[in-house]
Amino acid sequence: QKEVEQDPGPLSVPEGAIVSLNCTYSNSAFQYFMWYRQYSRKGPELLMYTYSSGNKEDGRFTAQVDKSSKYISLFIRDSQPSDSATYLCAMSRGAAGNKLTFGGGTRVLVKP
Amino acid sequence: EPEVTQTPSHQVTQMGQEVILRCVPISNHLYFYWYRQILGQKVEFLVSFYNNEISEKSEIFDDQFSVERPDGSNFTLKIRSTKLEDSAMYFCASMEGNIQYFGAGTRLSVL
Repeated sequence: QKEVEQDPGPLSVPEGAIVSLNCTYSNSAFQYFMWYRQYSRKGPELLMYTYSSGNKEDGRFTAQVDKSSKYISLFIRDSQPSDSATYLCAMSRGAAGNKLTFGGGTRVLVKP
Repeated sequence: EPEVTQTPSHQVTQMGQEVILRCVPISNHLYFYWYRQILGQKVEFLVSFYNNEISEKSEIFDDQFSVERPDGSNFTLKIRSTKLEDSAMYFCASMEGNIQYFGAGTRLSVL
């Protein structure tokens, strides 16, 4: 079983729709959960950061973590064509300096 | 806004040659990282660096790889004898408060 699994997509939605992304993981030691956005041949850009279980909202973005199910989600409301990118989930054990373990990314296409 | 800076953006080299990829982490960050992403694959951890020494490395980071912080601002990744399979995007990151910030990457092409 892969440590972090993420559907590669592509996920195609019309402009204004809600984009729903998720990742599952197997390592119960993960404590910190992040979502990054990556445009083609660019570096990952941090979108959301969550510690342990719960919800976090920032503008059009909502991140959810369910540690009991080892499942994390990202929702993008009122999606825009500029949201078209690859979305990467990443997580770490949280001890100081711990590495990030990434999912493979979901490619999202928001059509005007 | 502070950012991680990487140079060059694209490096082309011949197999067997040495390459040095350079990074300027965000000032005042103490933890530094290198990751790589082979085209179409996931971002993979290579090495973490803290207090002038390696704190963790992956199985990818073999004797051909080394890292250095030669001065107070630069953080470098050296590949001694490049192989075709080293072709990838290499990302540098620095961390504050458990959040890692990534540079735009260096695309390494080994011919």
